[in-house]
Amino acid sequence: AQKVTQAQTEISVVEKEDVTLDCVYETRDTTYYLFWYKQPPSGELVFLIRRNSFDEQNEISGRYSWNFQKSTSSFNFTITASQVVDSAVYFCALSGVNYGGATNKLIFGTGTLLAVQP
Amino acid sequence: GAGVSQSPRYKVAKRGQDVALRCDPISGHVSLFWYQQALGQGPEFLTYFQNEAQLDKSGLPSDRFFAERPEGSVSTLKIQRTQQEDSAVYLCASSLEAAGGRYEQYFGPGTRLTVT
Repeated sequence: AQKVTQAQTEISVVEKEDVTLDCVYETRDTTYYLFWYKQPPSGELVFLIRRNSFDEQNEISGRYSWNFQKSTSSFNFTITASQVVDSAVYFCALSGVNYGGATNKLIFGTGTLLAVQP
Repeated sequence: GAGVSQSPRYKVAKRGQDVALRCDPISGHVSLFWYQQALGQGPEFLTYFQNEAQLDKSGLPSDRFFAERPEGSVSTLKIQRTQQEDSAVYLCASSLEAAGGRYEQYFGPGTRLTVT
């Protein structure tokens, strides 16, 4: 069975602090995708990153960075110099790699609410 | 270009009423997904379409839930005889291609359903 665990329910930081959101996943698949989505108060899920299970290179995009470690089944997300606009719920998600019409549904964690105080 | 749109954004239904939720995916997107998001939880998969074919409905919680995508574009999620436990945000997502999960899913703003 596939499962995503985000143990941090809520995190509160002060602006300009760095913050790391944890994500641990379980899957029996050898090939899979991992995702992070942001859900601001407006409710719409915004895609942030997709990572293929064969690619363990860390990725940096502006103030965002992701650390993928297959050995610990973790895909953590770090925001550097956080800003008030980063306040949102962040979801980690897992998808299989299926062909021939099978479902590539996303399995989501329960999310981490990040509150950045000015 | 236009993203995924959903209507209505908010729906209040009395227990026992039928509701229909609409999703307009991004033009040209083959895959369409419906998810249900309860308060304080992550979205949970309901059903999947590849063009007009419903290939997976394993997440539909009961036979009161029905989805269709007759022409391979717009989709409707229908809930019959609504119950209070159906109260949730219903999210629609579309993806460019079916094969392999290589493409991210783009989500609509959701429909918040409240059953009183």
